[in-house]
Amino acid sequence: EVQVLQSGAEVKKPGATVKISCNVSGYTFSDYYIHWVQQAPGKGLEWVGLIDPEDGDTVYAENFQGRVTIIADTSTETAYMKLSSLRSEDTALYYCATVLKSGGGALNNWGQGTLITVSS
Amino acid sequence: YVLTQPPSVSVAPGETATITCGGDNIGSYNVHWYQQKAGQAPVLVVHDGDDRPSGIPERFSGTNSGNTATLTISRVEAGDEADYYCQVWDSFRDQSYVFGIGTKVTVL
Repeated sequence: EVQVLQSGAEVKKPGATVKISCNVSGYTFSDYYIHWVQQAPGKGLEWVGLIDPEDGDTVYAENFQGRVTIIADTSTETAYMKLSSLRSEDTALYYCATVLKSGGGALNNWGQGTLITVSS
Repeated sequence: YVLTQPPSVSVAPGETATITCGGDNIGSYNVHWYQQKAGQAPVLVVHDGDDRPSGIPERFSGTNSGNTATLTISRVEAGDEADYYCQVWDSFRDQSYVFGIGTKVTVL
């Protein structure tokens, strides 16, 4: 059974940088892309970006380009999302999800979400 | 690429809920649907237009043609009340993943 476990909530000041993690188990890490999705309070889902853990290739959404970095550690089967220059609008739940490389782009398994709060 | 969903749909128990997702030539894309209940992470309910992951009831079905994809929930139950999002992978342009704004399904 695939499991996606994310790190705990973070509180940061404006301008700071945050790094959250996503550990996946129960399948071959390199068979999936790892995605991050933002959900602001009371709002919908917004795609942040993805990484191919096999070679480290990334694709970022235009809205987050330049501020987000996604990396993967294959030895621990853990992906990380770093978001810099934080502002109040970044306050949101951030979900990690897996996408089978051989599939049609569906986010099959989701983590429980990590709440990032940006406040002075 | 923009996906358009109605903000809300209301349906009585036992009836059928139909949720649309509009996009330019969306029939050329693989469309996926997610259910998100209050306070929970999204769950994939239909993928690649009309396939269901294991464990998802047959009451959930999808179609995709032309400029509209549709998620249909038959014999609606109170437990189906949730937000539903459509999503595509824009492989034709910038490799980005796109979500619709979500549709709130209310069971009357």
